[in-house]
Amino acid sequence: DTAVSQTPKYLVTQMGNDKSIKCEQNLGHDTMYWYKQDSKKFLKIMFSYNNKELIINETVPNRFSPKSPDKAHLNLHINSLELGDSAVYFCASSLRGGGSTDTQYFGPGTRLTVL
Amino acid sequence: GENVEQHPSTLSVQEGDSAVIKCTYSDSASNYFPWYKQELGKGPQLIIDIRSNVGEKKDQRIAVTLNKTAKHFSLHITETQPEDSAVYFCAASIDNYGQNFVFGPGTRLSVLP
Repeated sequence: DTAVSQTPKYLVTQMGNDKSIKCEQNLGHDTMYWYKQDSKKFLKIMFSYNNKELIINETVPNRFSPKSPDKAHLNLHINSLELGDSAVYFCASSLRGGGSTDTQYFGPGTRLTVL
Repeated sequence: GENVEQHPSTLSVQEGDSAVIKCTYSDSASNYFPWYKQELGKGPQLIIDIRSNVGEKKDQRIAVTLNKTAKHFSLHITETQPEDSAVYFCAASIDNYGQNFVFGPGTRLSVLP
């Protein structure tokens, strides 16, 4: 009954590889996000999707691409992985339009280690 | 763009004491201020939030105060318990279509038994 789930929880890979992280939410929310948390715990938004439309794209390298097959899923694809991509990646979702609060609900995170 | 600062970066208190974490923001248009708690190995979880039309909000041992004029807001935890030990993040957001949350750098709270 997890609200926001991510797979895998841990991902270890070599530099130059391409990898994907999956995210699913069963809250019926309209907007989903990807955040990167670095080793100093700083949380920085990478992307958000609302009804399949990208509405925020911070200064993230184009090696990172979000893919949303439907409203409940937002996957993160990373090409040509670099050492600096090592971090914990969090997926989140929020209700848009309907409620009076815009709380973001976070998944458990995916720890990516690039060797 | 919005900039959120948070102090202190680390905080140690004795069990039963109070803890206060302060945040400042730069964009006067921000109108939503949530606080998240992140335990080791887990994702951030919302613990309390406040909107700009309210000056204070309380939920049991947790309270948040907002001073819009000074552009700062604070988290207050009373009667701290060891399970309150975690990293706490404040955030500021403008309630528009962009849903752009800007998080503070976090405060590591340790409650000593």
